[in-house]
Amino acid sequence: NFMLTQPHSVSESPGKTVTISCTGSGGDIASNYVQWYQQRPGSVPTNVICKDDQRPSGVPDRFSGSIDTSSNSASLTISGLKTEDEADYYCQSYDSRNPNWVFGGGTKLTVL
Amino acid sequence: QLQLQESGPGLVQPSETLSLTCDVSGDSITNSLYYWGWIRQPPGQGLEWIGNIYYNGDTYYNPSLRSRLTMSIDTSKNQYSLKLTSVTAADTAVYYCARLGYTSGWLFDPWGQGTLINVSS
Repeated sequence: NFMLTQPHSVSESPGKTVTISCTGSGGDIASNYVQWYQQRPGSVPTNVICKDDQRPSGVPDRFSGSIDTSSNSASLTISGLKTEDEADYYCQSYDSRNPNWVFGGGTKLTVL
Repeated sequence: QLQLQESGPGLVQPSETLSLTCDVSGDSITNSLYYWGWIRQPPGQGLEWIGNIYYNGDTYYNPSLRSRLTMSIDTSKNQYSLKLTSVTAADTAVYYCARLGYTSGWLFDPWGQGTLINVSS
């Protein structure tokens, strides 16, 4: 079965850049698009990156996404960190072989 | 503007059946571009995909829940539903409904506000 693995937590200072990884196992991560969601405490998840590297309207260009086929992973990079970026971030993709929709376990970003 | 709203009992007894409904407004549930999904989140934990349904009734379930799960769709009411049988405390979670678009790379968007379901006696 296709699975997505994320680091449990990351932390960085305001103004810096942080990258959150999402590693695929049991399948090729490049076979289907990866989405990224932000979930602030007590709130509903919202999309910050779709189709691997596309930013929905309203999402600041500080957010970017990429795919690395050599490591079978996706990455979410946030530059110029702000305290408002503190949230949980989830990657999500699709396993067309089953079919199955999969979420990563989530990464808690602390901006301190 | 598309909106989704979950409704459910709040509290379910162990071994009973959980029933949830998602009311869709702002778009027809028969729009062929989209599927309609359920996702849940246990307290303090991550997101788990539950299942999806298409307007023609085609369903896709998480294998870990398939034996207990039934999803249905009512196009006349523009709503879809979930039934999960034999619930345990492990089914305690916030349950979200969301639209799923394959033209957007299988993106769940938008989401409902979520409804907290507590399985307890």
